[in-house]
Amino acid sequence: DAKTTQPPSMDCAEGRAANLPCNHSTISGNEYVYWYRQIHSQGPQYIIHGLKNNETNEMASLIITEDRKSSTLILPHATLRDTAVYYCIVKQGGSEKLVFGKGTKLTVNP
Amino acid sequence: SAVISQKPSRDICQRGTSLTIQCQVDSQVTMMFWYRQQPGQSLTLIATANQGSEATYESGFVIDKFPISRPNLTFSTLTVSNMSPEDSSIYLCSVGGPYSNQPQHFGDGTRLSIL
Repeated sequence: DAKTTQPPSMDCAEGRAANLPCNHSTISGNEYVYWYRQIHSQGPQYIIHGLKNNETNEMASLIITEDRKSSTLILPHATLRDTAVYYCIVKQGGSEKLVFGKGTKLTVNP
Repeated sequence: SAVISQKPSRDICQRGTSLTIQCQVDSQVTMMFWYRQQPGQSLTLIATANQGSEATYESGFVIDKFPISRPNLTFSTLTVSNMSPEDSSIYLCSVGGPYSNQPQHFGDGTRLSIL
């Protein structure tokens, strides 16, 4: 599976958009990009995933660059409850393994 | 998404003992997984629990230390055997869909402390 690189931490003001970057320059054609988050003392929560098209759901938007070497998770209006560690994971199609990196610790400030 | 319940939610155990963690899902699922999260660390996959066959373990994890059962499509157990303080971690169960690009969903984990 391709390796991902994320900034260790980010801050965001409440009500503003949080844009979390992820670099996956070695991604191959059949690998999906998944985003999870883990709020303290809870299991990881699935947010969104995509292959090459941009995706949006009720939680977030996922923007994948045309060359697929990087992506951005966008939380459009961050709240204090969005404070969590966010994991960007690249998973090979046909494989069930999720390989978690260190993620980005997002702190939403009032 | 499936509702995943783990029991116990936390426990404190003596070294040398064993603890069995249960994972119950409210619907039939093909894939079930067990992860470990050591203090301050990210998640590491222990094994894939296969229904009707032996679990598939990741490098660094062995069946004697982490025996797994998967008696049906809604239930699995992970036993942490002969525990030492190094086994103090959060143990998490996750489930996946029948299609390879479907996301996994996680339970809230079992927080285990070994004295």
